[in-house]
Amino acid sequence: RKEVEQDPGPFNVPEGATVAFNCTYSNSASQSFFWYRQDCRKEPKLLMSVYSSGNEDGRFTAQLNRASQYISLLIRDSKLSDSATYLCVVNGGGFKTIFGAGTRLFVKA
Amino acid sequence: ETGVTQTPRHLVMGMTNKKSLKCEQHLGHNAMYWYKQSAKKPLELMFVYSLEERVENNSVPSRFSPECPNSSHLFLHLHTLQPEDSALYLCASSREQGTEAFFGQGTRLTVV
Repeated sequence: RKEVEQDPGPFNVPEGATVAFNCTYSNSASQSFFWYRQDCRKEPKLLMSVYSSGNEDGRFTAQLNRASQYISLLIRDSKLSDSATYLCVVNGGGFKTIFGAGTRLFVKA
Repeated sequence: ETGVTQTPRHLVMGMTNKKSLKCEQHLGHNAMYWYKQSAKKPLELMFVYSLEERVENNSVPSRFSPECPNSSHLFLHLHTLQPEDSALYLCASSREQGTEAFFGQGTRLTVV
């Protein structure tokens, strides 16, 4: 089983749609969780950290379920500019940070 | 945004060459990282330095040699690379272990 697993997609959605990404992790001792966004041929950029209580930043909502070992990202009212690859990132303790393979999102007009 | 800067942005090198990648962070972070991103594969952690001490080395071949002279600078020395080493090499820094990492723009390396 992969340490961090994501649905590779791609997800093709129209503008204005709501889209949800899930990510599962294998290490139950994992301590911190993040979502990054990566545009084609660019570096990953932090989108948001994920807290146990869930957190929201504008159109983006992240949730963590420790019991089931999964993380989710919800994007509401999708924009063309949301087209990118979304990376689930899990820190298993210390400096051991594992990136998922990413989920590709295409938002179309 | 110039929090983490990498040079060069692009590099083409022969298998017998020696080259170095440079990374500099202006964020006052204590940890610095080298990642490799090959086409259609997840980011692979190569090396981690915390306060200039190497704390992670993920079974990386010896043809890759990191150097961290101070907490703001990180190098990756390359020698006798193979074509399969062609990839995007990303440097990142974080305040401490387990916190958000910020990436440089990467060096796109092609080994011919």
